[in-house]
Amino acid sequence: DTGVSQDPRHKITKRGQNVTFRCDPISEHNRLYWYRQTLGQGPEFLTYFQNEAQLEKSRLLSDRFSAERPKGSFSTLEIQRTEQGDSAMYLCASSLESYSAREQFFGPGTRLTVL
Amino acid sequence: AQSVTQLDSHVSVSEGTPVLLRCNYSSSYSPSLFWYVQHPNKGLQLLLKYTSAATLVKGINGFEAEFKKSETSFHLTKPSAHMSDAAEYFCVAPNFGNEKLTFGTGTRLTIIP
Repeated sequence: DTGVSQDPRHKITKRGQNVTFRCDPISEHNRLYWYRQTLGQGPEFLTYFQNEAQLEKSRLLSDRFSAERPKGSFSTLEIQRTEQGDSAMYLCASSLESYSAREQFFGPGTRLTVL
Repeated sequence: AQSVTQLDSHVSVSEGTPVLLRCNYSSSYSPSLFWYVQHPNKGLQLLLKYTSAATLVKGINGFEAEFKKSETSFHLTKPSAHMSDAAEYFCVAPNFGNEKLTFGTGTRLTIIP
């Protein structure tokens, strides 16, 4: 399967613990995006990378959140000192840079539950 | 920046009848617009996209959407609903340049047998 993959698919943690999620984009895609989706809402943009450079971060991304894409391939999203409000589906997407609107391909998501 | 408004949070139709999911956009320039679908426990999938070419856009699974500048609308339609169409549908606006997506609040489509 050459689609976007995310690991783990589900994560249950206790408040205050740190968690890390991984995203593997489609191999030739140079852009990688993270979104967060809470129950009953549409996904909201968190941050994006072009190659290894993190070019934009949403105000939703507090200091407890950090994302990396060290070699321009896979990416990790870490949440430190998790809070119950962090419970959500974290979605990763990838695309090719383009001057016209181009489809983003989404992974299945990582569902985080903070107890 | 572009934004989209989905006018219905939930739509129910009988199998075999037409589907209409409504979306209005606001943009200071000619927008690009997408419709994505999300089936339970599955990833988001692109249904169709408008990129300033033909105003009537055909997508997968028999869906289509018409861009109407005079009405600032991009409604999604399908002539005949199928049980497999039951899902959450999102109207989406990509931002020019970085292409980050701004999603509407979603419309849950229920198909009645």
